[in-house]
Amino acid sequence: KAGVTQTPRYLIKTRGQQVTLSCSPISGHRSVSWYQQTPGQGLQFLFEYFSETQRNKGNFPGRFSGRQFSNSRSEMNVSTLELGDSALYLCASSLWDSHSGANVLTFGAGSRLTVL
Amino acid sequence: AQSVTQLDSHVSVSEGTPVLLRCNYSSSYSPSLFWYVQHPNKGLQLLLKYTSAATLVKGINGFEAEFKKSETSFHLTKPSAHMSDAAEYFCVVTPMKTSYDKVIFGPGTSLSVIP
Repeated sequence: KAGVTQTPRYLIKTRGQQVTLSCSPISGHRSVSWYQQTPGQGLQFLFEYFSETQRNKGNFPGRFSGRQFSNSRSEMNVSTLELGDSALYLCASSLWDSHSGANVLTFGAGSRLTVL
Repeated sequence: AQSVTQLDSHVSVSEGTPVLLRCNYSSSYSPSLFWYVQHPNKGLQLLLKYTSAATLVKGINGFEAEFKKSETSFHLTKPSAHMSDAAEYFCVVTPMKTSYDKVIFGPGTSLSVIP
């Protein structure tokens, strides 16, 4: 089955602009989470959506927002871009396995954002 | 509260020699534990997972890890390193029995393989 698809893969923006990133989860997966990865900070959790509701949120400013649609596809938006927002943004979808009690994440390839 | 410590930020091995990447965790709940690998400019790929079944877990590409509750460790090993194993490795913990808590990532270990 198809994996997690993130678009666009690469994009370049300038300071002050905004950006929207898209994530299509694996079919049947209802949870989508977003992560920011930078060389200095590593992997940082942004937020998680489940059934169109934000279920968890990391410690990021309000410029970072997201949403999930009824088909489980998710978007994240960053407004008023800053140089420090340059990063690889990773999306992961997951399916709760009640038998094993595990929540296994499957990641997309990421969207590489460069802010100039 | 949960946390993950990866004891080495960088490990360098020669091709054909064993690999050991260390991970210790702290969890208030019974944890699920995972190892993911990330090649340059790629997403994270699941190597293996522990979910309370066998404590010795076998993964893809010859990797395995052993869950040791008494040591709160989940070290990743491979008997013989291959050049293609050069990548970043992340140890991950989530609480078992709930899908509602955040996933906690370790800081990562960069593995270099010398020809």
